Amino acid sequence: GENVEQHPSTLSVQEGDSAVIKCTYSDSASNYFPWYKQELGKRPQLIIDIRSNVGEKKDQRIAVTLNKTAKHFSLHITETQPEDSAVYFCAAGGSQGNLIFGKGTKLSVKP
Amino acid sequence: DVKVTQSSRYLVKRTGEKVFLECVQDMDHENMFWYRQDPGLGLRLIYFSYDVKMKEKGDIPEGYSVSREKKERFSLILESASTNQTSMYLCASSLGYSGANVLTFGAGSRLTVL
Repeated sequence: GENVEQHPSTLSVQEGDSAVIKCTYSDSASNYFPWYKQELGKRPQLIIDIRSNVGEKKDQRIAVTLNKTAKHFSLHITETQPEDSAVYFCAAGGSQGNLIFGKGTKLSVKP
Repeated sequence: DVKVTQSSRYLVKRTGEKVFLECVQDMDHENMFWYRQDPGLGLRLIYFSYDVKMKEKGDIPEGYSVSREKKERFSLILESASTNQTSMYLCASSLGYSGANVLTFGAGSRLTVL
């Protein structure tokens, strides 16, 4: 089955700096790669996703890149703000419809 | 907006008890999922269902079963609760037919087994 590795497990940045979180996956049949943000005490919410026919996708300060050959994808957050502090999860999914998640990255943005 | 509702936010049960966690979605989604969330372990898939009466094992199905008698409802059952099943349980749903898609999560059910 699919296995998703996520790094780092914790990340601390100064406000205004960039943050990068990286994930690798094992199943070459996976074709959908979302990123979820979970604030303390709340449910995970989708922030951006990418499908395997696209190499990069941006939404304001957030971008995701995908390298299918190397089976890795990354989340980039620019100009970080304190409200970006949360746990971020990557995931990979395929034709069956299920999503397998990484273990999460706790991002702390210091003012 | 899609709404995924988990009937119990907090439960406390005793070892050996049978536990039912209920989840209902209101947007006619084909796929429904149960995940378990533990600190440092992320979200681990227990079971998922892509149609009524259909179920597939996830990564950690041992000690759990599921029921999907109606499209909108997906239940997680712990036949005999154990202390290592103390956790946050998250239900989610998504559109089907086209493979993996955006998940919408419920608020979670925090289960404590004493």
